[in-house]
Amino acid sequence: DAGITQSPRYKITETGRQVTLMCHQTWSHSYMFWYRQDLGHGLRLIYYSAAADITDKGEVPDGYVVSRSKTENFPLTLESATRSQTSVYFCASRSGEGPYNEQFFGPGTRLTVL
Amino acid sequence: KNEVEQSPQNLTAQEGEFITINCSYSVGISALHWLQQHPGGGIVSLFMLSSGKKKHGRLIATINIQEKHSSLHITASHPRDSAVYICAVLPYGQNFVFGPGTRLSVLP
Repeated sequence: DAGITQSPRYKITETGRQVTLMCHQTWSHSYMFWYRQDLGHGLRLIYYSAAADITDKGEVPDGYVVSRSKTENFPLTLESATRSQTSVYFCASRSGEGPYNEQFFGPGTRLTVL
Repeated sequence: KNEVEQSPQNLTAQEGEFITINCSYSVGISALHWLQQHPGGGIVSLFMLSSGKKKHGRLIATINIQEKHSSLHITASHPRDSAVYICAVLPYGQNFVFGPGTRLSVLP
């Protein structure tokens, strides 16, 4: 399917387990982003990537790891999940960094850590 | 620290009413985006603007760069407009900073 997809859409896991959230986009956009959305907060940037093999920390990177070996994929790994990482996670992509480059969002992954 | 504030946090309106959602921010920006998040969770871009005013159907977005303020207006509101509206600013050389969102409910 064209666009930006995330998997799984829903995930329940236990404290201490490793979890990987997948993100795939078909536009060959350079920029990809991972955000978390929590009640009372706006979307907060976890990590972003300007191109394959280039990643950088955002506002809330602790406890997360990313990689980007291919332009179209940007997986997010929680190495040892904690309850505070219960959230809705959104992946997004943009073709460039200019102000009028629209940012496209995936459908989100709702993660619950028990 | 970059901050984006939105008001009101929650808004309930009757169908047909004129609605205004406000966004204020604290730093210089290259652009401001208004986003809509549907009840199912999907997020779509409504407007991208750096000056003046834009109109798309019943939606109008304005921005005053000097006052660091933007408004999103919805004319003749409809229940299908019920959603969370998010203001996102793009500070120079940085990534987007998002407001907390305004939850709008339009009652029939």
